[in-house]
Amino acid sequence: GQQLNQSPQSMFIQEGEDVSMNCTSSSIFNTWLWYKQDPGEGPVLLIALYKAGELTSNGRLTAQFGITRKDSFLNISASIPSDVGIYFCAGYAGGTSYGKLTFGQGTILTVHP
Amino acid sequence: DGGITQSPKYLFRKEGQNVTLSCEQNLNHDAMYWYRQDPGQGLRLIYYSQIVNDFQKGDIAEGYSVSREKKESFPLTVTSAQKNPTAFYLCASSINQAYQPQHFGDGTRLSIL
Repeated sequence: GQQLNQSPQSMFIQEGEDVSMNCTSSSIFNTWLWYKQDPGEGPVLLIALYKAGELTSNGRLTAQFGITRKDSFLNISASIPSDVGIYFCAGYAGGTSYGKLTFGQGTILTVHP
Repeated sequence: DGGITQSPKYLFRKEGQNVTLSCEQNLNHDAMYWYRQDPGQGLRLIYYSQIVNDFQKGDIAEGYSVSREKKESFPLTVTSAQKNPTAFYLCASSINQAYQPQHFGDGTRLSIL
């Protein structure tokens, strides 16, 4: 099946620092999604990307759909303690995987005050 | 408010017992999904349903069963055939299956007594 390689696996940063994480795939994706999950809760959608090259912001978060359609990145600017959590990339590949969302392994973010 | 409700939040299963996890949505979404989440792993698809009275196996369907008798409900049964059921189970829905973002419930944590 489809696989997404998400990196880094974990990050330890100081409050106020910027954060960058990315996802890559060997296959083309038609939609890229970024989610945040707090402990014991379900993932919450942060940003959805639908076109190659698309750059979308949501407050301090910015995500881009790679022009090759095989990657995406998420940046968080000026991190704050409530940014702590697990960030997942996810994508729809189409073809035989139509309608099935593939998830990355997640990036665990820790923010030190 | 519209959303996805999963119940119970915590569930314990005895050996040889079937248990059913509830998922209800009032978003008027056509598609619904069940995922399993294990520590250090991304979400893995168990079953999904595009429309009432129709559902398909995901990547790890063995030992699980579902039904979709109503648009708003998609219960998951973890059968005694699932030998390693301890996990966090997440239900999601989307407007339809065509590359639309999925929205998640808050999950059910299943443990074995």
